[in-house]
Amino acid sequence: QVQLQESGAGLVKPSETLSLTCSLSGGSISNYYWSWIRLPPGKGLEWIGYIHDSGSTNYNPSLKTRVTMSIDTPKNQFSLEVRSVTPADTAVYYCARGASSGRGIAFDIWGQGTTVTIFS
Amino acid sequence: DIQMTQSPSSLSASVGDRVTITCRASQSATSYLHWYQHEPGKAPKLLISAASNLQSGVPSRFSGSGSGTDYTLTISGLQPEDTATYYCQQSYGTPWTFGQGTKVEIK
Repeated sequence: QVQLQESGAGLVKPSETLSLTCSLSGGSISNYYWSWIRLPPGKGLEWIGYIHDSGSTNYNPSLKTRVTMSIDTPKNQFSLEVRSVTPADTAVYYCARGASSGRGIAFDIWGQGTTVTIFS
Repeated sequence: DIQMTQSPSSLSASVGDRVTITCRASQSATSYLHWYQHEPGKAPKLLISAASNLQSGVPSRFSGSGSGTDYTLTISGLQPEDTATYYCQQSYGTPWTFGQGTKVEIK
């Protein structure tokens, strides 16, 4: 069965860079929109952006100037970097698979999530 | 950006009740609308895609409907295991956006 697992530092200092990796098992990385989504404490879900296996990306304008996503297809992994973090970036970060639903892209597989705290 | 507004933000209902959650988009989402269930500490789960397509393995008491700007998620016969926060999400235009969530509790 297809599974996603996030990994990366759980504690990041303000102004530094948050780095996370998502590892895919049990499925192909091809032809999907691999996304990062976060859940800040007390708030709702926020889509950060996606990277397609072709290498194309689309980032949320709210984070666009600070975000870079990359993909390593032989390793079945994709990654997220958020630069110049502040406490507002504290959240549970999820990686998710975006799949065509016939009417747009829906996130049909999610990782368990990893908590990232921005704290000096 | 397409803003998604859910109502109510929370509700408490009895086992067996029919529960309806509404999601309104700031512009037409043309059924590019999906529903998720999120239990604390777990990964969110896709329940319904494209407004009304029930995902494999999801109980039939869940259903979705709607078009244009207005969509609903209905739970027909609430069960204790349905305690969760429910989110709608549009993928008609980027940035893809979620509603603020509806927390469902059992009385």
